[in-house]
Amino acid sequence: DAGVIQSPRHEVTEMGQEVTLRCKPISGHDYLFWYRQTMMRGLELLIYFNNNVPIDDSGMPEDRFSAKMPNASFSTLKIQPSEPRDSAVYFCASNSPGQSYNEQFFGPGTRLTVL
Amino acid sequence: AQTVTQSQPEMSVQEAETVTLSCTYDTSENNYYLFWYKQPPSRQMILVIRQEAYKQQNATENRFSVNFQKAAKSFSLKISDSQLGDTAMYFCAFMKGSQGGKLIFGQGTELSVKP
Repeated sequence: DAGVIQSPRHEVTEMGQEVTLRCKPISGHDYLFWYRQTMMRGLELLIYFNNNVPIDDSGMPEDRFSAKMPNASFSTLKIQPSEPRDSAVYFCASNSPGQSYNEQFFGPGTRLTVL
Repeated sequence: AQTVTQSQPEMSVQEAETVTLSCTYDTSENNYYLFWYKQPPSRQMILVIRQEAYKQQNATENRFSVNFQKAAKSFSLKISDSQLGDTAMYFCAFMKGSQGGKLIFGQGTELSVKP
């Protein structure tokens, strides 16, 4: 398996623009997580899905952020409009707890820079 | 709410020596998992070791072992025979429950292994 795939790997955009981050989980995994990593706040969960249904979105910072999982093999995280404080590394992770003893498998991350 | 604390922002160790990274956590849960993840400069998140709270025996994975003290809510990581490739950020993480759920991360410890 190719592992969790994220695209793009790097994104540079200007304040006010829409940004869409993409994630393909490992095939067969029924949980998908979006995390954000910043120097100030460390690694924090934004939202997670189980069987494509959002379970906990309490970490989504504000209405500018939205996430979808239209099917088991694809998820998006959208920021509209983007702001400089959104600059961070965004990780997608997936797992199937019964198979992996709750290990979460992380993608390579998307480094977002908002100018 | 659960919290995870890593009190050592940076540590260094000589190659082939042993080093211990500290982690404490706060929870009222009785059923949970604890993890150590490694993040090398490539920024890929890699699972090092996991511990189920109901297991008294400390987990070991080759050169990596933990000292799990449930009553003290302490979960330290010991790296034996340190190698240059162990240079990375190390994150302690907590997950509530037995199936699925989000990871709550500590702030991280940056470990440098010196030749």
